Amino acid sequence: EAGVAQSPRYKIIEKRQSVAFWCNPISGHATLYWYQQILGQGPKLLIQFQNNGVVDDSQLPKDRFSAERLKGVDSTLKIQPAKLEDSAVYLCASSFRTSGGISTDTQYFGPGTRLTVL
Amino acid sequence: DQQVKQNSPSLSVQEGRISILNCDYTNSMFDYFLWYKKYPAEGPTFLISISSIKDKNEDGRFTVFLNKSAKHLSLHIVPSQPGDSAVYFCAACYNQGGKLIFGQGTELSVKP
Repeated sequence: EAGVAQSPRYKIIEKRQSVAFWCNPISGHATLYWYQQILGQGPKLLIQFQNNGVVDDSQLPKDRFSAERLKGVDSTLKIQPAKLEDSAVYLCASSFRTSGGISTDTQYFGPGTRLTVL
Repeated sequence: DQQVKQNSPSLSVQEGRISILNCDYTNSMFDYFLWYKKYPAEGPTFLISISSIKDKNEDGRFTVFLNKSAKHLSLHIVPSQPGDSAVYFCAACYNQGGKLIFGQGTELSVKP
């Protein structure tokens, strides 16, 4: 079974530029998550999708971050404009979650995209 | 506010000995706890979990203990192997599959 795919793996940009990250979850996984992991800290949830609907985006800085999951499969996370404090690893995760159901529901993570903002 | 805390940033253990990684939480609403393991340049990998209705869960060399009254959980690795060297994150959520709140991580180094 293929895992969660993310691209690019690394990205270096200047502050005020824009950047986009792509995630392809495990086939059949309805729930998709984007996390931000700043060096020395644990991952912090930015946004959670159930199919193509947003479940939780309470910690997404909506003035500069946006995310979409068209057709309920792939997802993109965009930052525009980037700030120095956005330097982090952006992790995508997916889990199998039926509507209203609670199953094993482990979150499987991709390798992440390391963003450096100069 | 840091709802999940791992107060030891690093731990060094000799191969064959026990590794004990600790985690404290503040929110009594958490009812499911997980440990993830992370190697450099890879995403976190699920290791073991425990529901709040249990106080112990075992999977091979890995055992997680939960003390709800102390709001404390620990991961025991016995015996420790060099391949266990990684960063370990504990995480908590309100229901299985919900939003995970992660600790800061503990870097484990197992020396041959």
